[in-house]
Amino acid sequence: DAKTTQPPSMDCAEGRAANLPCNHSTISGNEYVYWYRQIHSQGPQYIIHGLKNNETNEMASLIITEDRKSSTLILPHATLRDTAVYYCIARGAGNNRKLIWGLGTSLAVNP
Amino acid sequence: DSGVTQTPKHLITATGQRVTLRCSPRSGDLSVYWYQQSLDQGLQFLIQYYNGEERAKGNILERFSAQQFPDLHSELNLSSLELGDSALYFCASSVYSRDNEQFFGPGTRLTVL
Repeated sequence: DAKTTQPPSMDCAEGRAANLPCNHSTISGNEYVYWYRQIHSQGPQYIIHGLKNNETNEMASLIITEDRKSSTLILPHATLRDTAVYYCIARGAGNNRKLIWGLGTSLAVNP
Repeated sequence: DSGVTQTPKHLITATGQRVTLRCSPRSGDLSVYWYQQSLDQGLQFLIQYYNGEERAKGNILERFSAQQFPDLHSELNLSSLELGDSALYFCASSVYSRDNEQFFGPGTRLTVL
């Protein structure tokens, strides 16, 4: 599984878009990029995942660069409830089901 | 609410003791995963079961063991507890064919004194 690198912390104003970057320069062709978030010691929550194409769901958008070496999670209109630690994870699609979690990005949404 | 339940919510015990953590997956999910999260640390994958069989193993100590029962609930057994075992223990579940999305329970906070 490719290692991911994220900034340790970020701030965002309420109502603005939060753009969380992730570097996964060693990702291989069959490895997906997953995003989860964890709100203050609660169980992590799945947000979105993608392989090559950009993805969007009701929670967020995932933009993956063409060379797949980095991606950005976009929360279009951040709210105070989006304050959490956001984890970017790269994981293969084979039998290895392990998610390798880093320390993530602590996002603070400020009023 | 993810649909995954874990009991107990909190557990306080002494060094050298043994405890059992319980997890009930979402209805229909066949895979169960166990994770450990120490203070200010990322989640460490421990072990995965699918339909009663061990499927993947992570950084699980020999003092720890787990199993998944026919009704698909799972138990994580921690023995000869040490101070460093104090952590949040999360269970997650997924439908095997879609296990890119794991649903996490609320966790069990274990404190070893």
